Amino acid sequence: GAVVSQHPSWVICKSGTSVKIECRSLDFQATTMFWYRQFPKQSLMLMATSNEGSKATYEQGVEKDKFLINHASLTLSTLTVTSAHPEDSSFYICSAPGGDTDTQYFGPGTRLTVL
Amino acid sequence: QKEVEQDPGPLSVPEGAIVSLNCTYSNSAFQYFMWYRQYSRKGPELLMYTYSSGNKEDGRFTAQVDKSSKYISLFIRDSQPSDSATYLCAMKNTGRRALTFGSGTRLQVQP
Repeated sequence: GAVVSQHPSWVICKSGTSVKIECRSLDFQATTMFWYRQFPKQSLMLMATSNEGSKATYEQGVEKDKFLINHASLTLSTLTVTSAHPEDSSFYICSAPGGDTDTQYFGPGTRLTVL
Repeated sequence: QKEVEQDPGPLSVPEGAIVSLNCTYSNSAFQYFMWYRQYSRKGPELLMYTYSSGNKEDGRFTAQVDKSSKYISLFIRDSQPSDSATYLCAMKNTGRRALTFGSGTRLQVQP
């Protein structure tokens, strides 16, 4: 199956700093990737859709100036949490559609802790 | 009302039991249905994918879809302690690539 990686797997930062999370499709190309956020014992909530070569599409209620998304190539999307605050602490997961485009393959997730 | 409803559990069963996990949905536009397994602090892993009403079997797993009732199920036969995880149902409609997830059911299989 398709493999999606994320880096880092865990990051701790101070309040007010920015954190960049990378999402890579390892053995396939992805013109679209998705970013989700998951709070403890809750389901995945879609934050935004990352589009290669164009602007990301954000879900209602997600601040695009706070969560910067860049789809730099067909295998890489990055999410930058700017001026992070403790309430941004969460598990961030990316995904990319599989070859048939109806399924999605998920990365292992990045745990962000903001102190 | 949420588009996808799923009992959060936890559901605790003895090893070897048959497990039934369910989701209901309200959006009749959903045409594609998936089940993911998520271990603690890991990304979801695709288990089953189907787009038609009826049953689909893969090893110990059977996915069942009833579009007329807007109800989907995942059955796990001969459950193992390694099946202990959170199971998420997910759905999408034609033309929208993002998935809508249920809240997940936490399953514990006791040895």
